[in-house]
Amino acid sequence: QLVESGGGLVQPGGSLRLSCAASGFTFSDYSVNWVRQAPGKGLEWVSYILTTSTTMYYADSVKGRFTISRDNAKNSVFLQMNSLRADDTAVYYCARIRGATLGQFYMDVWGKGTTVTVSS
Amino acid sequence: QSVLTQPPSVSAAPGQKVTIACSGSSSNIGNNYVSWYQQVPGTAPKLLIYENNRRPSGIPDRFSGSKSGTSATLGITGLQTGDEADYYCGTWDNSLTAAVFGGGTKLTVL
Repeated sequence: QLVESGGGLVQPGGSLRLSCAASGFTFSDYSVNWVRQAPGKGLEWVSYILTTSTTMYYADSVKGRFTISRDNAKNSVFLQMNSLRADDTAVYYCARIRGATLGQFYMDVWGKGTTVTVSS
Repeated sequence: QSVLTQPPSVSAAPGQKVTIACSGSSSNIGNNYVSWYQQVPGTAPKLLIYENNRRPSGIPDRFSGSKSGTSATLGITGLQTGDEADYYCGTWDNSLTAAVFGGGTKLTVL
């Protein structure tokens, strides 16, 4: 399973670090990504990290502000969020990625999410 | 504005069949596999279909997926009130170097 933590209320321009702890599978064998959902809106992909941390991708909306990382020894993935804006307010989910290539990309295990609210 | 296009809502009576379309382009659906997710409001998304038409274990065969060209379709037969949820298609976009989702379709079982 995946369990997110670290969400909360933060002022515009502030920072927050989300964590996602994995259990029940060999974490280092899987790529992971973050997906968010603003209130009343659809799913928005945020960021991806490869098993070995050698490749990361970001949505244009967060590029330059968010950084994804992982610690395979601690079975965890992180999302460092800086320069937060009101439109970053959302539930943030981490999800395990399957598929031998990006063309076969799908997310088979999801956490329950952690809520980030950016407001003054 | 989502990269993949889905109808905002569909509805059908219990026991009937419904299909949800997902339209994309050659940079995403046209050259990659499509997955589908079910989300009951207030809960996390759940994988329904992967690699266009494969079902994870535990997903009933009432759910099916198909792909043709730059479009994909989710089919649900024998509709039940418990199927009421939001459904999302997703895939990788080679031009954006990003995962993309449809805007979501709200299924109402009348």
